[in-house]
Amino acid sequence: AQSVTQLDSHVSVSEGTPVLLRCNYSSSYSPSLFWYVQHPNKGLQLLLKYTSAATLVKGINGFEAEFKKSETSFHLTKPSAHMSDAAEYFCVVTGTASKLTFGTGTRLQVTL
Amino acid sequence: EAQVTQNPRYLITVTGKKLTVTCSQNMNHEYMSWYRQDPGLGLRQIYYSMNVEVTDKGDVPEGYKVSRKEKRNFPLILESPSPNQTSLYFCASSRYGQGETYEQYFGPGTRLTVT
Repeated sequence: AQSVTQLDSHVSVSEGTPVLLRCNYSSSYSPSLFWYVQHPNKGLQLLLKYTSAATLVKGINGFEAEFKKSETSFHLTKPSAHMSDAAEYFCVVTGTASKLTFGTGTRLQVTL
Repeated sequence: EAQVTQNPRYLITVTGKKLTVTCSQNMNHEYMSWYRQDPGLGLRQIYYSMNVEVTDKGDVPEGYKVSRKEKRNFPLILESPSPNQTSLYFCASSRYGQGETYEQYFGPGTRLTVT
């Protein structure tokens, strides 16, 4: 069985300040973990993925995430938020190659 | 251009009237999947397929059917739609390999309303 919990449904930051979106997971297998982003009225786009190589994963648009097995976490960070980062972000876990489980999403708001 | 297409993009229908949402990909991907997105619930997997004629249930398969007769197509069938199936539906595809999970490529979504 696998599950994923996104700890914040909504995060608001000022432009230029750091972003932290939190994700905890549970999996009976060695998990693969992903972050996807969904801009308003758009489909989903892959930000980054972890598949048991380096624990610090770099993605597109300056985002990165760190896999911490001891804490079962895969938090998404960015040093400096930009207005264009405003979107909904989904953490995804897969313990087998076939079944994906999405978190409920975190809406990121970026203010001036 | 590599893409996943869905049709229709918007659909309003009545309870009990059978409908099909089509999904097609041009990337020769083995894996295809359907999700529904509801506010506060994220995306939930309905069905997935690892290859032609191989399908399996996701987390919320009740009320839906799928088929995979060709590699590029993966239609979602609602035999008797009900209002609780009003949702935003996404189709996705990816490569597939044992013990490996690849990036999912998502279609643009189909907004379904059942009255």
